[in-house]
Amino acid sequence: NAGVTQTPKFQVLKTGQSMTLQCAQDMNHEYMSWYRQDPGMGLRLIHYSVGAGITDQGEVPNGYNVSRSTTEDFPLRLLSAAPSQTSVYFCASRNRDRLNYGYTFGSGTRLTVV
Amino acid sequence: GNSVTQMEGPVTLSEEAFLTINCTYTATGYPSLFWYVQYPGEGLQLLLKATKADDKGSNKGFEATYRKETTSFHLEKGSVQVSDSAVYFCALTPNSGYSTLTFGKGTMLLVSP
Repeated sequence: NAGVTQTPKFQVLKTGQSMTLQCAQDMNHEYMSWYRQDPGMGLRLIHYSVGAGITDQGEVPNGYNVSRSTTEDFPLRLLSAAPSQTSVYFCASRNRDRLNYGYTFGSGTRLTVV
Repeated sequence: GNSVTQMEGPVTLSEEAFLTINCTYTATGYPSLFWYVQYPGEGLQLLLKATKADDKGSNKGFEATYRKETTSFHLEKGSVQVSDSAVYFCALTPNSGYSTLTFGKGTMLLVSP
């Protein structure tokens, strides 16, 4: 099925470790975003991209890095994990010209930092 | 900046009851408005949308009307089912420039038989 694929689904990290959360979409969407979901906080935007080679910061970018070398992939890197980064992470994408279709979300990565 | 305010949950209802989840927003200009639903352990799914004032979005028995005068987009359903138990998010996105989503904090709905 076409959609947004996130890996891994679950991850436990020790404080200070680094890792990359993967996100891939097969819908040729130009726009991609990363959100984190925390209890009582809704979803907050970390980073976003409007196309290959173009990224920008969202509301809560500190401690995260992104790059977009292809249209399909938008990985999120945690440089040095901290307990405050324990969260559920969602990747989303949409077609640039189809605002009305809304965003398509991945199923999420649940990250625990100990 | 943009913001979305939703009623706090959980909202607890019996099957076949009427549902309203309130949502109000603050935005520059006239944004597009969305309701997303998140079932346990899953990602978010688009439930319905409205792109201009007085538009009514509808899907799976849920409805919401874009009210510019009250800056609201309340979600309603006439008769809820147990399978509607989920977290519901109201969201907006500007209609110009790059349009990321701004979410409300979510409202959990629990429907009992």
